Amino acid sequence: EAGVTQFPSHSVIEKGQTVTLRCDPISGHDNLYWYRRVMGKEIKFLLHFVKESKQDESGMPNNRFLAERTGGTYSTLKVQPAELEDSGVYFCASSPGLAGGPPDTQYFGPGTRLTVL
Amino acid sequence: QKEVEQDPGPLSVPEGAIVSLNCTYSNSAFQYFMWYRQYSRKGPELLMYTYSSGNKEDGRFTAQVDKSSKYISLFIRDSQPSDSATYLCAMRFYTGGFKTIFGAGTRLFVKA
Repeated sequence: EAGVTQFPSHSVIEKGQTVTLRCDPISGHDNLYWYRRVMGKEIKFLLHFVKESKQDESGMPNNRFLAERTGGTYSTLKVQPAELEDSGVYFCASSPGLAGGPPDTQYFGPGTRLTVL
Repeated sequence: QKEVEQDPGPLSVPEGAIVSLNCTYSNSAFQYFMWYRQYSRKGPELLMYTYSSGNKEDGRFTAQVDKSSKYISLFIRDSQPSDSATYLCAMRFYTGGFKTIFGAGTRLFVKA
């Protein structure tokens, strides 16, 4: 079974540019999560999809971030325009179970390392 | 004050040692307590989770929760070089939907 995949693995862009990160969850997983880890800090929740619907986007830092999940399959996270403080590792995770609940196991992707210069 | 505090380490131990990793938390609403392991350039992988105070064992790993002290621990017995990784504690609670709060992670090195 293929795991969660993320693309690209690393992105270096200049401040003001646009970047789009992609996440392909494990096939059949309804729940998809985005997290971010800024250097030296803890992993923080960004948002949660159940199929194609945003269940919780309370962790999105501001309106420069836009997440979509077309058809309930893969998801994209766009940052436009990127700022220096957006640098970090963006993780995607998916899970098969009920939205939330006891730790239905979240399977994490390897992350996309974003560097904004 | 952070909701979850975890010493970032690094923690270096010889092979075969017993490792103790700890987190403290401040939010009494936390319901589930989890430990993730993260190897370099990989995503976190769920190791164990517990719900109530007490111990839960899985092979060489034991998770311990003390809700009265708001303190959780992960013990690794007979540590191996392959255990070298970052260990993250995480807490899950319901607030209109379930949220997961992570600790900063402790880097562990097990020397052969």
